[in-house]
Amino acid sequence: GAGVSQSPRYKVAKRGQDVALRCDPISGHVSLFWYQQALGQGPEFLTYFQNEAQLDKSGLPSDRFFAERPEGSVSTLKIQRTQQEDSAVYLCASSPRQGRLAKNIQYFGAGTRLSVL
Amino acid sequence: GESVGLHLPTLSVQEGDNSIINCAYSNSASDYFIWYKQESGKGPQFIIDIRSNMDKRQGQRVTVLLNKTVKHLSLQIAATQPGDSAVYFCAENHNDMRFGAGTRLTVKP
Repeated sequence: GAGVSQSPRYKVAKRGQDVALRCDPISGHVSLFWYQQALGQGPEFLTYFQNEAQLDKSGLPSDRFFAERPEGSVSTLKIQRTQQEDSAVYLCASSPRQGRLAKNIQYFGAGTRLSVL
Repeated sequence: GESVGLHLPTLSVQEGDNSIINCAYSNSASDYFIWYKQESGKGPQFIIDIRSNMDKRQGQRVTVLLNKTVKHLSLQIAATQPGDSAVYFCAENHNDMRFGAGTRLTVKP
């Protein structure tokens, strides 16, 4: 498929566990975004990559959240010592544009639903 | 603080009727707005966008209206179909892309 792919689709973690969520963007897309979507809410920005550079991580809620995109394609969002409030859908989006224009053209994956028990 | 929000959390319409989904924004500096559709278990899907120098834009069966005077955005869907059932988000782009909480549209056959 040519879309943004996220895995796993569902993840159940015990409180305190570390989790890693994967995003495969559309091939060739320069920009990659991560969002957190709580139940019944709109997505909230977490972080932005332009190629391998993490240019904006202002939305990461705590230092337990870490994201990387080492080769400028696949990205991983890692959450350490998960808490119940981390339960949400984590969405990844990619864009062929960069900078501020990248936010205007985003293609979203289906997300990973994280449940922390 | 400034935020993007929606007037109604749910909207139920009869198949074939027109739907209007509303959104209020408070950041007067936002210059670009997008409507997204999100079906259950899927990511948001772009529907239509509008720049702040426009007040109306039309797509296929959808129209977005922007009223900068009252900071209001609306999405009109003509001849609503069961496949239109989803949650609809407005989003504004200023320095960050901010999404509203969403309106759930249900289409009754």
